[in-house]
Amino acid sequence: DIVMTQTPLSLSVTPGQPASISCKSSQSLLHSDGKTYLYWYLQKPGQSPQLLIYEVSSRFSGVPDRFSGSGSGTDFTLKISRVEAEDVGVYYCMQGIHLSWTFGQGTKVEIK
Amino acid sequence: QVQLVESGGGVVQPGRSLRLSCAASGFTFSSYGMHWVRQAPGKGLEWVAVISYDGSNKYYADSVKGRFTISRDNSKNTLYLQMNSLRAEDTAVYYCADIVTWGQGTLVTVSS
Repeated sequence: DIVMTQTPLSLSVTPGQPASISCKSSQSLLHSDGKTYLYWYLQKPGQSPQLLIYEVSSRFSGVPDRFSGSGSGTDFTLKISRVEAEDVGVYYCMQGIHLSWTFGQGTKVEIK
Repeated sequence: QVQLVESGGGVVQPGRSLRLSCAASGFTFSSYGMHWVRQAPGKGLEWVAVISYDGSNKYYADSVKGRFTISRDNSKNTLYLQMNSLRAEDTAVYYCADIVTWGQGTLVTVSS
């Protein structure tokens, strides 16, 4: 099974400041079709997870451009250029290269 | 709009069974593989099972293999999870999901 490791596990950010979350996979997420199946989700308090980023760096429809994803192979990063109050919640990376998804432990983001 | 609505959760005694349902609407359900993902209280996301678009392929997490069965009825646009021999550690909110869309979840509590 692919293990996904996120750091840090919690983050306290001043509004308007940037934030960054790292995600490392135990195996490469680069598929033979040329795509890398790494996703980022945000679970806001009391809600279901919502897709932010798919295939490493593509923003899902409606996701603000302050969110960006980068990386390749086994190392990935989610960046928020300027954190806003509505960005609080738990962020998860997820691998989808295998049908059996695996998730990172989650990174809890709060506002200072 | 695209929607997944889970139902069937509740309180059940250890060793008993429960069947969850997930009603899909707003997209061509029969074209997509579907997943169940669970989240124990205060914990992260755990993938449970996946079924291919036509029901011909199914995969399970080791933690539920042999006890849970995923199925679908494409004529009813509905996904199912039959859960047998339930344990306290199966207590969680269960989500049906594809990469983009997640339901609101249904809570399963296994307790005597």
